[in-house]
Amino acid sequence: EAGVAQSPRYKIIEKRQSVAFWCNPISGHATLYWYQQILGQGPKLLIQFQNNGVVDDSQLPKDRFSAERLKGVDSTLKIQPAKLEDSAVYLCASSLAGSGGAQYFGPGTRLLVL
Amino acid sequence: AQSVTQPDIHITVSEGASLELRCNYSYGATPYLFWYVQSPGQGLQLLLKYFSGDTLVQGIKGFEAEFKRSQSSFNLRKPSVHWSDAAEYFCAVGAGNTDKLIFGTGTRLQVFP
Repeated sequence: EAGVAQSPRYKIIEKRQSVAFWCNPISGHATLYWYQQILGQGPKLLIQFQNNGVVDDSQLPKDRFSAERLKGVDSTLKIQPAKLEDSAVYLCASSLAGSGGAQYFGPGTRLLVL
Repeated sequence: AQSVTQPDIHITVSEGASLELRCNYSYGATPYLFWYVQSPGQGLQLLLKYFSGDTLVQGIKGFEAEFKRSQSSFNLRKPSVHWSDAAEYFCAVGAGNTDKLIFGTGTRLQVFP
């Protein structure tokens, strides 16, 4: 069974530029999550989708971050414009609906904002 | 509000020694509890989970964890550590009805030969 796929793996941009990350979850997983992991910290949930609807985006900085999951499968996370403090690893995870939190993670995208 | 505390930022053990990583949680109801491992440059891998029932749960790679409600703890253990166990370990608590996870800050494990 294929795992969660993410691209790109690494990205370097300058502040005020825009960037987008892509995630393909495990087949059949209705729930998809985007996390931000700053160096030395645990992952912090940015947004949670159930199929193509948003369940929780309370910690998403909506003035600069946006995410979509149009067909209930793939998802993209966008940052526009990026700030220095956005430098982090962005992790995508997926789970079966009602799994109680047993999530499967992709390898992440490491973003450096200069 | 739910929270997770991992008191040890960094632990160093010798290969073959036993290991215990501490995790304390705060949650009003019966929690769903998880341990994840993250190797350098990798995503998180689920080691084990506790939902209900037997308070001692077995996971992958020879790890186990014990849920102690009276101490609000869910410590991870391994009887004999291998050099390949060197990684970052995260404890997490889930709000079961939303599948949302709250992670601790992690414990970095270093293994000496």
